[in-house]
Amino acid sequence: QKEVEQNSGPLSVPEGAIASLNCTYSDRGSQSFFWYRQYSGKSPELIMFIYSNGDKEDGRFTAQLNKASQYVSLLIRDSQPSDSATYLCAVSQWTGANNLFFGTGTRLTVIP
Amino acid sequence: EAGVAQSPRYKIIEKRQSVAFWCNPISGHATLYWYQQILGQGPKLLIQFQNNGVVDDSQLPKDRFSAERLKGVDSTLKIQPAKLEDSAVYLCASSLAPGLYEQYFGPGTRLTVT
Repeated sequence: QKEVEQNSGPLSVPEGAIASLNCTYSDRGSQSFFWYRQYSGKSPELIMFIYSNGDKEDGRFTAQLNKASQYVSLLIRDSQPSDSATYLCAVSQWTGANNLFFGTGTRLTVIP
Repeated sequence: EAGVAQSPRYKIIEKRQSVAFWCNPISGHATLYWYQQILGQGPKLLIQFQNNGVVDDSQLPKDRFSAERLKGVDSTLKIQPAKLEDSAVYLCASSLAPGLYEQYFGPGTRLTVT
């Protein structure tokens, strides 16, 4: 059984701070890692994906991957109230099927 | 570019009734996914289509759930008979192809089984 674990939160940070979201996964065969943002009552939207060890930056977002530790994280710099949402970590094996296994999500609240 | 369309947006049924959901993916997207998202959980893949063929339905409760994608475009997901634990949001997503292609999600159908 493939497991993806996240702290459910809620995680509260003040506006302008760095929010750090963490995810661990059980399947060492996992190759691709995704972060989705889901606003309340809305559908998930992709923020970033990463498949190589190290950091990947996109604007205020940085994804970090450590396959040896089976750990992936998302950092949000200069957090804004509009970043308040649930962040879903998803992992996939590098197969043609591209099945995504999602964690339960971490609820982030950015306090103005 | 139009996004993934789903209908209905909300549905309330009694247990043991049947229900069907419809999805129209983004034009040109060969891969279509149905997910079930129970409140407080992440989405769980039910079935994946590549064009009109099933790629993975290992997590689909086949005794009560069925899905089809005739002509490789629109898809329907059916539940018959529904159980209380089927109450969830059913999300349809599509992507250009399998692999490292972004999955775009539709707005979902919120099903309540009473």
